[in-house]
Amino acid sequence: GENVEQHPSTLSVQEGDSAVIKCTYSDSASNYFPWYKQELGKRPQLIIDIRSNVGEKKDQRIAVTLNKTAKHFSLHITETQPEDSAVYFCAASIPTGGFKTIFGAGTRLFVKA
Amino acid sequence: DVKVTQSSRYLVKRTGEKVFLECVQDMDHENMFWYRQDPGLGLRLIYFSYDVKMKEKGDIPEGYSVSREKKERFSLILESASTNQTSMYLCASNGYSNQPQHFGDGTRLSIL
Repeated sequence: GENVEQHPSTLSVQEGDSAVIKCTYSDSASNYFPWYKQELGKRPQLIIDIRSNVGEKKDQRIAVTLNKTAKHFSLHITETQPEDSAVYFCAASIPTGGFKTIFGAGTRLFVKA
Repeated sequence: DVKVTQSSRYLVKRTGEKVFLECVQDMDHENMFWYRQDPGLGLRLIYFSYDVKMKEKGDIPEGYSVSREKKERFSLILESASTNQTSMYLCASNGYSNQPQHFGDGTRLSIL
């Protein structure tokens, strides 16, 4: 069945360093890849997304890359800050019927001051 | 700004009870979703709906049913609650396929 694998499950970095989270999807028909950030006790919120016709997208300190051939995509956060500490989820949307979205298991990012 | 409202933040029920979780969105979105969130397992799709009275099973529909009688409201029903259904439940919506989903604050459900 459809699957999205996300690594690492936990990531600890020093403030100012970069953080990279990687995801792999199984269904080659997937064509939309959002990333969500969930702070403790709060709802997941979209931070960046990429569509299958684009290889890279950047928004200030956050960037996402997509490799359709290898079926993987990555989130890059540069110059990390303590407020970046949260759980990050990748997801892949599959165009079947009502467009199903499969989420990765999440990465807990700790940014140490 | 899109608002997705879940009826309860915390809910405690007993084994065997029928439980209703309600979700309302105010943006006239076509699609609505119910997820279950457990540590280490991410967000798992229970059911989704892409139109009134339409529903599709997600990855873990067993023990759950849904109802969408009006476009803005999507209800999750636990027919006979069991302790393994203790979890955080998140509702979400989006307007069209391949758009970001907007989430509610979640309902932390405990089944005793």
